[in-house]
Amino acid sequence: AQSVTQLGSHVSVSEGALVLLRCNYSSSVPPYLFWYVQYPNQGLQLLLKYTTGATLVKGINGFEAEFKKSETSFHLTKPSAHMSDAAEYFCAVSGNTDKLIFGTGTRLQVFP
Amino acid sequence: SQTIHQWPATLVQPVGSPLSLECTVEGTSNPNLYWYRQAAGRGLQLLFYSVGIGQISSEVPQNLSASRPQDRQFILSSKKLLLSDSGFYLCAWRAGQGLRVYTFGSGTRLTVV
Repeated sequence: AQSVTQLGSHVSVSEGALVLLRCNYSSSVPPYLFWYVQYPNQGLQLLLKYTTGATLVKGINGFEAEFKKSETSFHLTKPSAHMSDAAEYFCAVSGNTDKLIFGTGTRLQVFP
Repeated sequence: SQTIHQWPATLVQPVGSPLSLECTVEGTSNPNLYWYRQAAGRGLQLLFYSVGIGQISSEVPQNLSASRPQDRQFILSSKKLLLSDSGFYLCAWRAGQGLRVYTFGSGTRLTVV
């Protein structure tokens, strides 16, 4: 079975500051890992995903995440926050089943 | 190109009334289909998924049911809504084989009053 833990339900940063959203996973098989973003009352948009190969994954809007097997982590980062990054972010894992399991989400606030 | 449609966008229903939410996918065949619910402060919970017509797996015991009458149609239903059924419902699909790419619909905001 797979599970995801997102540390911090709310994260606040200043515009231009580093964004770090934490995600730890549990999986009995090599995982597929995902980060999605959700703007208010909208569906989910894929930011990036890790399947196999390079452990540093670059996504849209300047985000990237690094798969660290030894730490069972897949933290999301962005060097410089923008006001438009304010949204809710979800980490998700998929293993040897067809199911995509989500964490509880982290709401990112960006202050001017 | 593939698209996913979900409707209605918003719905207000009284307690005890029936529910039917529909999701359709275009531009692909034999997709895996999923229903998720997002309740306030609780993240995204997988409710049902389907790998083929008439094949439904339920993840969480609840007041809801799902059906897949056609290859690219997935319906979420309830005979009698409860207040606790309120939430944001999202449909998603992925190709049955190949890349793990999950694409989500725009969601339905259900308020049970």
